[in-house]
Amino acid sequence: GAGVSQSPSNKVTEKGKDVELRCDPISGHTALYWYRQSLGQGLEFLIYFQGNSAPDKSGLPSDRFSAERTGGSVSTLTIQRTQQEDSAVYLCASSPKGGSSYNEQFFGPGTRLTVL
Amino acid sequence: AQSVSQHNHHVILSEAASLELGCNYSYGGTVNLFWYVQYPGQHLQLLLKYFSGDPLVKGIKGFEAEFIKSKFSFNLRKPSVQWSDTAEYFCAVNALAGGSYIPTFGRGTSLIVHP
Repeated sequence: GAGVSQSPSNKVTEKGKDVELRCDPISGHTALYWYRQSLGQGLEFLIYFQGNSAPDKSGLPSDRFSAERTGGSVSTLTIQRTQQEDSAVYLCASSPKGGSSYNEQFFGPGTRLTVL
Repeated sequence: AQSVSQHNHHVILSEAASLELGCNYSYGGTVNLFWYVQYPGQHLQLLLKYFSGDPLVKGIKGFEAEFIKSKFSFNLRKPSVQWSDTAEYFCAVNALAGGSYIPTFGRGTSLIVHP
């Protein structure tokens, strides 16, 4: 079946512009995560959606970052007034609520964001 | 807050050498433990996981990891590495916090295997 997809794969933007990054999780997966991966760093947790519950936004680094998940499926991560330090690979992962893959995360290919 | 430490940031080995990558976490409650691998140009994917039961878990491609609760460790091992094991390896811990499992990842270990 189809895996997690993300678009765009690459995004170059100018400092101060807003960007939207999209994630399509695996169908039926209730949990969705956004991470940021900077060079030489691990995965920095940003936000977590689980079903219809309120998202856990504890990892968002500033109020310029926000995310939505519509209809329990597609998610959009928005970064307003981008800064050069926002340059990173943004990864999305989804996870089923039960079954043998419970809590295992399935990752997308990521969006490489470059802020000039 | 929980944290995950991977002590080896860069490891260089020759083929057939044995591998052990360290992973320690700080959390006293129930945890689920994972190792993920990212091959060059590919997505992150699961290598192996521990939820409960036998603390020695086996994953894909001959990898295994041992959960030692008293040491808060989940080290990854492979007795004989291959050139194709060249990749970035990430240890991750899911711990229940505030009613949800928020995963914490280590910084990753870059493994280069010379043929």
